[in-house]
Amino acid sequence: ETGVTQSPTHLIKTRGQQVTLRCSSQSGHNTVSWYQQALGQGPQFIFQYYREEENGRGNFPPRFSGLQFPNYSSELNVNALELDDSALYLCASSLAGGAQSQFFGPGTRLTVL
Amino acid sequence: QKEVEQDPGPLSVPEGAIVSLNCTYSNSAFQYFMWYRQYSRKGPELLMYTYSSGNKEDGRFTAQVDKSSKYISLFIRDSQPSDSATYLCAMSVGGGSNYKLTFGKGTLLTVNP
Repeated sequence: ETGVTQSPTHLIKTRGQQVTLRCSSQSGHNTVSWYQQALGQGPQFIFQYYREEENGRGNFPPRFSGLQFPNYSSELNVNALELDDSALYLCASSLAGGAQSQFFGPGTRLTVL
Repeated sequence: QKEVEQDPGPLSVPEGAIVSLNCTYSNSAFQYFMWYRQYSRKGPELLMYTYSSGNKEDGRFTAQVDKSSKYISLFIRDSQPSDSATYLCAMSVGGGSNYKLTFGKGTLLTVNP
């Protein structure tokens, strides 16, 4: 059984570009949440997907969007990148057990220049 | 006022010391209270979670929740250099596959040999 994996590990983009980050859930986990963690801050909830439907969203603009696929893997897309989007993006998966049952991936470090 | 407040430290203690980490919160709807440990360049890992007011012990770690004061604590006994990390408190509403997790800012702890 593999844990939560994310790709790429890190990447650099310029302002205005678009980026797609990917997450593979832990085996069998059908719920995926995405978080943004700025330097020196705690993770902030972006949104959550359950069985391919978004079922919760934090205080992030529409240019942050996502997808969950039938195999429960997930993507986070960010359009029109801004400097403040530079952060560690974390994916976490769980199986119907609430927040206390979710496991985090190692994150993708995004730098926007 | 932020929903979850956590002193970011940094906190530096000698090996063997008792460490006390604290968070306050304002949202009475929070149901689960969690502590995560995050090593540099890694995703958070769950240390402990509690549901009700009171104490919960796991080895050298004790989590304490006081719902009347909206205050939670994590105590680490006999601290070790390997405990050096950022400690994040987190609280959730919802459950099953529909929940939202709110984190504190994190406290950077260094345990010196």
